[in-house]
Amino acid sequence: AQSVTQPDIHITVSEGASLELRCNYSYGATPYLFWYVQSPGQGLQLLLKYFSGDTLVQGIKGFEAEFKRSQSSFNLRKPSVHWSDAAEYFCAVGQGAQKLVFGQGTRLTINP
Amino acid sequence: DAGITQSPRHKVTETGTPVTLRCHQTENHRYMYWYRQDPGHGLRLIHYSYGVKDTDKGEVSDGYSVSRSKTEDFLLTLESATSSQTSVYFCAISDRTSGSFDEQYFGPGTRLTVT
Repeated sequence: AQSVTQPDIHITVSEGASLELRCNYSYGATPYLFWYVQSPGQGLQLLLKYFSGDTLVQGIKGFEAEFKRSQSSFNLRKPSVHWSDAAEYFCAVGQGAQKLVFGQGTRLTINP
Repeated sequence: DAGITQSPRHKVTETGTPVTLRCHQTENHRYMYWYRQDPGHGLRLIHYSYGVKDTDKGEVSDGYSVSRSKTEDFLLTLESATSSQTSVYFCAISDRTSGSFDEQYFGPGTRLTVT
């Protein structure tokens, strides 16, 4: 069965610093990969997705992610974080019948 | 924003009582999902539907049942609520328009407390 691991439960960065959130997946074939963001008390919003093609994908809010098949990773990056980026971030892999398997989430705190 | 509403948004109930949560969509999407979110576990799939009257179990389906009698509504029932079912419940929808795998759109969530 597919699985997703987000090794970092909580990350703190300073405003303006760069960010990288890690995601590792377990899947036999080329995966469908997603990053979602959840602001406090809200539902989940899609940041970006990877299906095939260019391994560097651009998303909303200045985020990007790189698919590395050799490392089974799909890490999320942002060159300069803003205080409004404080949220919880979820990596997910697509499974049969249009289902998603989520990682445990990474909570991002921004220091002023 | 995708037209997804969940009701109620908050509910407190007692152990042993039945509870029904409702998800309503205005997007005419084929697929609907119920997840629960708990600290340290991310989101886990409870049940999903791939059409009217077509449902299947997810990862954590014990103690839950679902029904979908109309495209727009997907109901989640806790037959006899337990404290372990205290959680935040999210509904999601998707549609296979691209032929591959479409993103899921999420509702605002329902916070359920079982005392």
